[in-house]
Amino acid sequence: DAGVTQSPTHLIKTRGQHVTLRCSPISGHKSVSWYQQVLGQGPQFIFQYYEKEERGRGNFPDRFSARQFPNYSSELNVNALLLGDSALYLCASSFQGGNQPQHFGDGTRLSIL
Amino acid sequence: TQLLEQSPQFLSIQEGENLTVYCNSSSVFSSLQWYRQEPGEGPVLLVTVVTGGEVKKLKRLTFQFGDARKDSSLHITAAQPGDTGLYLCAGVYNTDKLIFGTGTRLQVFP
Repeated sequence: DAGVTQSPTHLIKTRGQHVTLRCSPISGHKSVSWYQQVLGQGPQFIFQYYEKEERGRGNFPDRFSARQFPNYSSELNVNALLLGDSALYLCASSFQGGNQPQHFGDGTRLSIL
Repeated sequence: TQLLEQSPQFLSIQEGENLTVYCNSSSVFSSLQWYRQEPGEGPVLLVTVVTGGEVKKLKRLTFQFGDARKDSSLHITAAQPGDTGLYLCAGVYNTDKLIFGTGTRLQVFP
């Protein structure tokens, strides 16, 4: 069975642009979470979605938004990109979210010039 | 803000040595997970501990959850080069968030 897949794997943008990152969860998983991992640090929680509803939100500005589709895939959108948004964006899926084990994709490496 | 502090930040040891990584917080977590992350990949779950005082073993790795569910440790016996990676603890808070620690980067030399 396929694991969590994320696209694209790498992306280069300039300040002020907008970006959309995509995630497909493991088949049967209904919850998707997004994390930002800056080089040398642990992942920071951005959003959790379950059954297409936002279940949790981390301490990120409104420039960050996400949604989950009926097939449980998800998109993370970031507007008005800043240099500080350069990071590895990780998606994780689980059956129901919450305290269940998270299965991570290999991330999208976003570089802002 | 819930914070999970890990120590040490970096650890460089020879094959065969033992080591312990610590994960501490002022918050109580309903459960705590340990992950290992290798370069270019996402974190991979090693173990979940739920009960205060719980000890779990995974081959040469021993995980312990503190009695008050605020801290945890990971002990590796006879480290091998294949253990090299970034070790992350993550606490589940309020069932909605997984709060990751600051990470411990382990390098094991042959």
